[in-house]
Amino acid sequence: DSGVTQTPKHLITATGQRVTLRCSPRSGDLSVYWYQQSLDQGLQFLIQYYNGEERAKGNILERFSAQQFPDLHSELNLSSLELGDSALYFCASSVAGGARWGEQFFGPGTRLTVL
Amino acid sequence: AQSVAQPEDQVNVAEGNPLTVKCTYSVSGNPYLFWYVQYPNRGLQFLLKYITGDNLVKGSYGFEAEFNKSQTSFHLKKPSALVSDSALYFCAVRALSSNTGKLIFGQGTTLQVKP
Repeated sequence: DSGVTQTPKHLITATGQRVTLRCSPRSGDLSVYWYQQSLDQGLQFLIQYYNGEERAKGNILERFSAQQFPDLHSELNLSSLELGDSALYFCASSVAGGARWGEQFFGPGTRLTVL
Repeated sequence: AQSVAQPEDQVNVAEGNPLTVKCTYSVSGNPYLFWYVQYPNRGLQFLLKYITGDNLVKGSYGFEAEFNKSQTSFHLKKPSALVSDSALYFCAVRALSSNTGKLIFGQGTTLQVKP
């Protein structure tokens, strides 16, 4: 158990809909990362937040947005969903320094299926 | 641009034999390299990392990796494979921008260990 939790585990929805994925980082970790894993694209970085502020953006569509709240949990919002958005979405968190610097701790993922 | 390549989609090895999963990278400057493992329906688990220092890095579950700067490689190795090592393995490089800890992943290599 990495200490990172994600809800829900599975999400089935229809095209055009909007969903919210939730992530709680490990206690004390200030950074949260979102990744998308799909068969054709592999594992792609979407966005990073550090202590409530957006730190880096990757291949994130304009239909997707995220935020990190004062309690450090994060939400990834996916709107106007398309079939191609079906994927496994991972959240990860990391420490700022120390012996485990650079390591990311991954949650179990949310499997999104768009029908 | 930074990138990671895992040239083998799948590696097959007999239990008890040594295993190698290959990874090459392309970065400007000194790389920070990682290996993660993903078991079915699970999140990624950290195995080991190279930040600086000794080129041979030891990690979890008896795995090790050798950093080779001249060949820009970071191959994952284990002296004696177990059936339980069968999983999907990812090599990753940390983005060099000081402002983010995002990871850039290879496409992944499926390791199949047969009894």
